Amino acid sequence: ELKVEQNPLFLSMQEGKNYTIYCNYSTTSDRLYWYRQDPGKSLESLFVLLSNGAVKQEGRLMASLDTKARLSTLHITAAVHDLSATYFCAVVSNYQLIWGAGTKLIIKP
Amino acid sequence: DTEVTQTPKHLVMGMTNKKSLKCEQHMGHRAMYWYKQKAKKPPELMFVYSYEKLSINESVPSRFSPECPNSSLLNLHLHALQPEDSALYLCASSRSGLPSTDTQYFGPGTRLTVL
Repeated sequence: ELKVEQNPLFLSMQEGKNYTIYCNYSTTSDRLYWYRQDPGKSLESLFVLLSNGAVKQEGRLMASLDTKARLSTLHITAAVHDLSATYFCAVVSNYQLIWGAGTKLIIKP
Repeated sequence: DTEVTQTPKHLVMGMTNKKSLKCEQHMGHRAMYWYKQKAKKPPELMFVYSYEKLSINESVPSRFSPECPNSSLLNLHLHALQPEDSALYLCASSRSGLPSTDTQYFGPGTRLTVL
């Protein structure tokens, strides 16, 4: 059974700083997603990572995938308050999404 | 257009009531999903419809009854719910029918409170 672990689960940081969220998964998968969720809102797809070494960037967010290490990272560069949200990684297993617990990110002005 | 719509946005119901949640997408997606999400937790998969047929039922209690009237619509019928069923109910859709690993697009959710 595939398990997905995210860390940290909670992160409070100042604007302008850089930080990384980690997503580890226990068995082989060929696809990993990152989603964002604002409080009380729905889930927004950020990135899909398909292959080893894949890197995708959107604004101040950059996601990467190392399938050999079974590790994905979501890097935040020069954080701004608008990026405050909960970020989930999700890994495909048997055509279903297996979700990490989520990282609640608070960025203070 | 990557929009999935859900109605109602909020629903309060008693344990003896019968209500329905509605989800709609016009993207031509062939798979539709119901998820339940409790506060501070990731979504939990409840049901998956693929090509309008129920493909996955994650051992959900029978007080939740899904229905897919056509390729654009997904309903979740609720009956005799318990207070612990209070949660955010999310609908999602993806382009291909199962087996599929396509991106799932989520609706805004229905916040359900069971009294």
